[in-house]
Amino acid sequence: EVQLLESGGGLVQPGGSLRLSCAASGFSLSSYAMSWVRQAPGKGLEWVSAISGGGSGGSTYYADSVKGRLTISRDTSKNTLYLQMNSLRAEDTAVYYCARDLGFGDNWFDPWGQGTLVTVSS
Amino acid sequence: SYELTQPPSVSVSPGQTARITCSGDALPKKYAHWYQQRPGQAPVLVIYKDTERPSGISERFSGSSSGTTVTLTISGVQAEDEADYYCQSVDSSGTYGVVFGGGTKLTV
Repeated sequence: EVQLLESGGGLVQPGGSLRLSCAASGFSLSSYAMSWVRQAPGKGLEWVSAISGGGSGGSTYYADSVKGRLTISRDTSKNTLYLQMNSLRAEDTAVYYCARDLGFGDNWFDPWGQGTLVTVSS
Repeated sequence: SYELTQPPSVSVSPGQTARITCSGDALPKKYAHWYQQRPGQAPVLVIYKDTERPSGISERFSGSSSGTTVTLTISGVQAEDEADYYCQSVDSSGTYGVVFGGGTKLTV
């Protein structure tokens, strides 16, 4: 069964850092593009970042709202996706979901993890 | 920036048909996909590439496309279908422009 399990969320002060993890099972991360999508409390879904499939690290992509502050990466030996979050702001408060990213160029997401909550507050 | 427009809410009685629309200028050129999100849960893909249904999704869910509007149709609506529904597509500009609609709350 294809599954994704996020971890690493929590409470962090403005300007702080956090690293989210997404452990994949039932498929190989290196064979698929992967994305992070977030959802602020009571709000809609917002795509954050993606990494392409392939064995050489993959190309990375970011929403303008997080460019320069968030970094997506993966460790194929651990079959785990990461999101390094630096210089965090209150507006980054959200549930962060990882999702397998299908149909490159007409991307859709399936499955999704259960999400991990990031709260940026002093 | 590119936007997808959905109605904030749709209300139907059990057994009726619900239709949720999503409008966007690039939809004649780019596929749309639909997700169901029940309260407190992660989104679930229910329709991809305008009309395709993933395995395990009820046949009551279907999708259609006409010009700049795509529609998610739920036939024989049941109480368990009450959820938020999001359409999603990509910007046709060539960048990695994944976009979600604002979401529609379906009340049964």
